[in-house]
Parts: sequence; C-alpha cells; structure tokens
Amino acid sequence: QKEVEQNSGPLSVPEGAIASLNCTYSDRGSQSFFWYRQYSGKSPELIMSIYSNGDKEDGRFTAQLNKASQYVSLLIRDSQPSDSATYLCAVENYGQNFVFGPGTRLSVLP
Amino acid sequence: KAGVTQTPRYLIKTRGQQVTLSCSPISGHRSVSWYQQTPGQGLQFLFEYFSETQRNKGNFPGRFSGRQFSNSRSEMNVSTLELGDSALYLCASSGTGELFFGEGSRLTVL
Repeated sequence: QKEVEQNSGPLSVPEGAIASLNCTYSDRGSQSFFWYRQYSGKSPELIMSIYSNGDKEDGRFTAQLNKASQYVSLLIRDSQPSDSATYLCAVENYGQNFVFGPGTRLSVLP
Repeated sequence: KAGVTQTPRYLIKTRGQQVTLSCSPISGHRSVSWYQQTPGQGLQFLFEYFSETQRNKGNFPGRFSGRQFSNSRSEMNVSTLELGDSALYLCASSGTGELFFGEGSRLTVL
C-alpha cells in the first residue's frame, strides 16, 4: 500500500523563524509532489508543486525533493502567525490517484 | 476564473438515508476526484472521473458511487448512510496535474 508519512505535530515556531516540514513516501514510482495548506474548517489550498530533485522557491516557501531518499520537505521562511495551519504533503504517480499524508499542524507564535 | 463549486455545503441525514453531492469543476478541467476527510483518517481517496469514465477508485464500499456528466460536472452518492460516513467530502478538479479543491460538503449522519 502506497503511504505518505508526516510528523503530525504540532510544530511550534516563533514568528520570523524558519518552519521545516517533512514528508516521506513509499512509492518509488512517484513523479509529482505537492504541498497543500489547510486552515481549520477550510479546504486544502495548493501551495507548491515539485517534480524534479532539488529545490524550488516561491516567495517565502521552498520545496525540496530527494527522490533517492523518497523525501520531500517544505521550508517556510519568516514564518507569520497567518501561516498557522495544517500542511498536507501529496504524492502522485502518473495516471494514479494522489495520496495524501496525515498532515503536520504548524503553529507560529507571535 | 471560477473555482470548484460544491453543493450543498452542509447537510444532516439520518442512518439508512442516502445523499447526493454535486461538484462543478474549474472550467476546462476534465478530471474530477472525490475525497473523504475525517479527523481520524485524514484525506482518503474515493474515486476519480475523467471524461465521464471512472479512472481510479479507492477502497470504499459499494455504497459510495459517483458519476461524471458530459460537461465535467460530477456527483457522488452514498446510500444506506452509516454514522461513520460523517465527514467532509471534498471534490477536486485537475487540468494540468495539480488538484484544486472545492470548499467541501460537510455531512453529518445522525
């Protein structure tokens, strides 16, 4: 069974710090990787997608992918209280359904 | 560009009843996926439709069914509702590989 694992948290960081969220996956054939943010009571919102090994930066967010280690991470620089949410890692193997991790709850303390 | 629209947003049913949920994808998107989200199980994949054909199916009982129409709108149906079916049901549409979620339909089974 294809699995995606994340630390459930909560991960607490002070405002202005870097938050580091990690995700591992079991399916070596996975080709596409995504990070979603979900505020309490809301639906998941796509933050970033990454398809190749290495880093991908978008504003305060950096996604990192290491296919050999089956590891994906999301760094949030200059964390803000508004970043407090649950972050979901999702993995897709082409033509198959997305598999989501359980999510990591992030709390940014003012 | 309008997002993914789900109706109804909230509904309450009793055990044994059935329910139909509707999803209108982003214009131009031909793939529609359905997910169930509960606090204990996270996001669980139900099924995916593409051009009116079910392309993938998750591990849910046959009480859960869906369909897609020629205009890409999709419906899912749950028959003989059980208490454990209480959840947030999320629809997501995809055009170029990324999933975009609707606000969800929150089902409560009493």
